[in-house]
Amino acid sequence: DTEVTQTPKHLVMGMTNKKSLKCEQHMGHRAMYWYKQKAKKPPELMFVYSYEKLSINESVPSRFSPECPNSSLLNLHLHALQPEDSALYLCASSQDTRGRSYNEQFFGPGTRLTVL
Amino acid sequence: TQLLEQSPQFLSIQEGENLTVYCNSSSVFSSLQWYRQEPGEGPVLLVTVVTGGEVKKLKRLTFQFGDARKDSSLHITAAQPGDTGLYLCAGPSGGYQKVTFGIGTKLQVIP
Repeated sequence: DTEVTQTPKHLVMGMTNKKSLKCEQHMGHRAMYWYKQKAKKPPELMFVYSYEKLSINESVPSRFSPECPNSSLLNLHLHALQPEDSALYLCASSQDTRGRSYNEQFFGPGTRLTVL
Repeated sequence: TQLLEQSPQFLSIQEGENLTVYCNSSSVFSSLQWYRQEPGEGPVLLVTVVTGGEVKKLKRLTFQFGDARKDSSLHITAAQPGDTGLYLCAGPSGGYQKVTFGIGTKLQVIP
């Protein structure tokens, strides 16, 4: 299985709602990532988990809360979002990159989030 | 943070034409990846280049890594409508887990 899956595909939420984005991979990858992508921009890193531990938080507002329940799953909990948080949220995974000169990431199809 | 500049940002060509897109930096990269992204989808990894001067071919796509490992190019021969998409180059930045992306080249191949 070489896929990264994400659910839901689309999500519309109000600013007072609480919702979660889910990501799953079964490639045995030990690093998982959340990215945010706005229209006509490249993906922007939010969080990195390595061996189920949060290793990088790119100064993301606390209204975004990541969680890694196990090595195959990655969640992003959303609360009190703002309209400017509307974007495509991408999950990615990769092998443990320590000692390597490259980081090949495999992306899911993304969740299109609209905040009203 | 190491920056990657891509050119051109937009390219519209007829089916059957050849094209080259570029990814440049003032910094040396240990590797570069090329991804293709279609609208509303996640990027799909096409190739990784690691060695300076390396050339890799993927059917009609030819990827080259510059000798100094500061630049890379993607050449497409006889472009087809299925090649339409956003082509992103990416490389490691600020640690082994972080990747920086170029802004991308948006390619449209007209039938």
